Amino acid sequence: GDSVTQMEGPVTLSEEAFLTINCTYTATGYPSLFWYVQYPGEGLQLLLKATKADDKGSNKGFEATYRKETTSFHLEKGSVQVSDSAVYFCALKVAGSYQLTFGKGTKLSVIP
Amino acid sequence: NAGVTQTPKFQVLKTGQSMTLQCAQDMNHEYMSWYRQDPGMGLRLIHYSVGAGITDQGEVPNGYNVSRSTTEDFPLRLLSAAPSQTSVYFCASGELRVSVETQYFGPGTRLLVL
Repeated sequence: GDSVTQMEGPVTLSEEAFLTINCTYTATGYPSLFWYVQYPGEGLQLLLKATKADDKGSNKGFEATYRKETTSFHLEKGSVQVSDSAVYFCALKVAGSYQLTFGKGTKLSVIP
Repeated sequence: NAGVTQTPKFQVLKTGQSMTLQCAQDMNHEYMSWYRQDPGMGLRLIHYSVGAGITDQGEVPNGYNVSRSTTEDFPLRLLSAAPSQTSVYFCASGELRVSVETQYFGPGTRLLVL
């Protein structure tokens, strides 16, 4: 079946540090890839997405590149802020399916 | 637009009780779904619907019923609650024409079953 593996948290960084959250996947078909973010007490919000190999998704300073050869979609940000503290979920959806398959989430805490 | 709304925000049930979690959206989305979120498990799909009168099972449907009588509403029913159903429940909606890749999530319902 489809699955998403992302790095275990929690991750604690100082403000302005570089962020990488690793995500790898296995898929039964051709997947679209997503990063969702969940701020404390809220539902999930789509952060960025990529629908084909070598596409780069970007939003709010976050980036992730769809790497088919390594089945990866790592999330990066060059300089994190305290307001980026949240739980980040990597997810995939296979073409023709309605179902999103999520990773377990990575909690990020950014300290001043 | 209110987006996706869920009620209640928090509920405590005793084992064997029944209840309905409400979900509504005002974006005229065809697709709606229910997920549960458990610590260390990410989100898992319970049921989904691609339009009024059409529902289907997701990854973890046992113990839950759904119906979709209108485009706006997609209630989730627990007929006989069990402690294993203690979780945070999220409703989401999306447009079918973009293949539901962009799903909008509600704020969640936290359920505790004693």
